[in-house]
Amino acid sequence: DGGITQSPKYLFRKEGQNVTLSCEQNLNHDAMYWYRQDPGQGLRLIYYSQIVNDFQKGDIAEGYSVSREKKESFPLTVTSAQKNPTAFYLCASSRDSSGSSYEQYFGPGTRLTVT
Amino acid sequence: KQEVTQIPAALSVPEGENLVLNCSFTDSAIYNLQWFRQDPGKGLTSLLLIQSSQREQTSGRLNASLDKSSGRSTLYIAASQPGDSATYLCAGDSNYQLIWGAGTKLIIKP
Repeated sequence: DGGITQSPKYLFRKEGQNVTLSCEQNLNHDAMYWYRQDPGQGLRLIYYSQIVNDFQKGDIAEGYSVSREKKESFPLTVTSAQKNPTAFYLCASSRDSSGSSYEQYFGPGTRLTVT
Repeated sequence: KQEVTQIPAALSVPEGENLVLNCSFTDSAIYNLQWFRQDPGKGLTSLLLIQSSQREQTSGRLNASLDKSSGRSTLYIAASQPGDSATYLCAGDSNYQLIWGAGTKLIIKP
C-alpha cells in the first residue's frame, strides 16, 4: 500500500529536550511538508522540501529543524527553542509543488505533549 | 496576506439533509483549491481538488465549486449520513503554498 507514515502517534517529552518526529512516504513524491495544527486554527506550515537535500522555512519555522537526505524521509526536530511545542504535527507529500500536481496527501499525525 | 475563512465553524443537522459548507479567501488569486476531511485525532483525507482550469469537482455525494472572481468555494454534501461527521477543511494554493481555513466541524445526527 502506498502512503505516508508518521511515528510515533503520541509523544511525551519534558521541557528542554529536543525530539524528532518521523515521516516516511512510499508514494515517490518529490515534495514533502510539515504542518502544525492547534485547536481552532488552520494548519500552519513549518517547513517544506521540494527536492532531496533542499528545504525551505514555512510560516512558523522558529524552534524547528528538518533534513531531507532521502526522497522518502523528512524528519522534523522540535528543539528546546520552540516556546510552545505541544501540538498535533502533520506530515504531507505531493508529487511536486507546482501547478496541477499540488494535491497533498497526509500522514496520520503525531500528537506531541511537552510538560 | 492571504487569509481563509470557513463558515460556519460548526454545524449539526439531521441525517438525510443536504448541506453547504463555505470557504472564502481575502485574495481571489487562488490557483488550486482543495477540500479535506479530518476525523478526530487523525490525519487529513483529500476529498476534492479543483485545479486552476476547473470550476467544480464531484465525487459521489460531494460537489465542490470555486468562484475565483469572488474568492469563494463551497462544498455541497447531498443526503448526509452519520458517517459524514468530521471536520472539513479547505485550503487554497496561493504562491505555491497552501493557505488553510480553520475548518467546519460537522455533526450528522441519526
